[in-house]
Amino acid sequence: QAGLTQPPSVSKGLRQTATLTCTGNSNNVGNQGAAWLQQHQGHPPKLLSYRNNNRPSGISERFSASRSGNTASLTITGLQPEDEADYYCSAWDYSLSAWVFGGGTKLTVL
Amino acid sequence: EVQLVESGGGLVQPGGSLRLSCAASGFTFSSFGMNWVRQAPGKGLEWVANIKPDGSERYYVDSVKGRFTISRDNAKNSMYLQMDSLRVEDTAVYYCGRSLEYWGQGTLVTVSS
Repeated sequence: QAGLTQPPSVSKGLRQTATLTCTGNSNNVGNQGAAWLQQHQGHPPKLLSYRNNNRPSGISERFSASRSGNTASLTITGLQPEDEADYYCSAWDYSLSAWVFGGGTKLTVL
Repeated sequence: EVQLVESGGGLVQPGGSLRLSCAASGFTFSSFGMNWVRQAPGKGLEWVANIKPDGSERYYVDSVKGRFTISRDNAKNSMYLQMDSLRVEDTAVYYCGRSLEYWGQGTLVTVSS
């Protein structure tokens, strides 16, 4: 089952803005958008956003998501050291009847 | 507070079987679909299986179809993953999840001779 496409790594400076991308197709991201998850080493993933820009309770407004066509984006403003983590996108694929994940983007805060 | 606790992981030889369990609390278990997601060492997340709230529909990633079976017991607030014909490439931390919002801490499955 084909997954979603994410860049392997992104590096940005402290207090800068990072934008992570996730490309799928019309059966997944292009249908109902993507969810974004953050994972620190040794911990389970944490949901940051679902269906484009709905944030669960407790998630900072510094995290915002959007979608254009088959590409979803996660923008993180005012980067902090604790934002250094792996970020995954995910979407339900209606043609596969399966959840698909991106390969993950490792965000480094310089 | 939503809690998900996985158990049942361990070391098994190729071709062997394991049964993972996920104990849920803090929400009405019978109202929610549930997932198993795995993560091989140093790799990304991979969805494994999904089961609807009443167990009527189940979905699997292609690589486990015919080998893994997801099930649930709503009376016991529990979900299971029966894993048969295990392969070395099934080695991973297996997470139980409610949608993508709530996750357990994971249980490690190691398939090795």
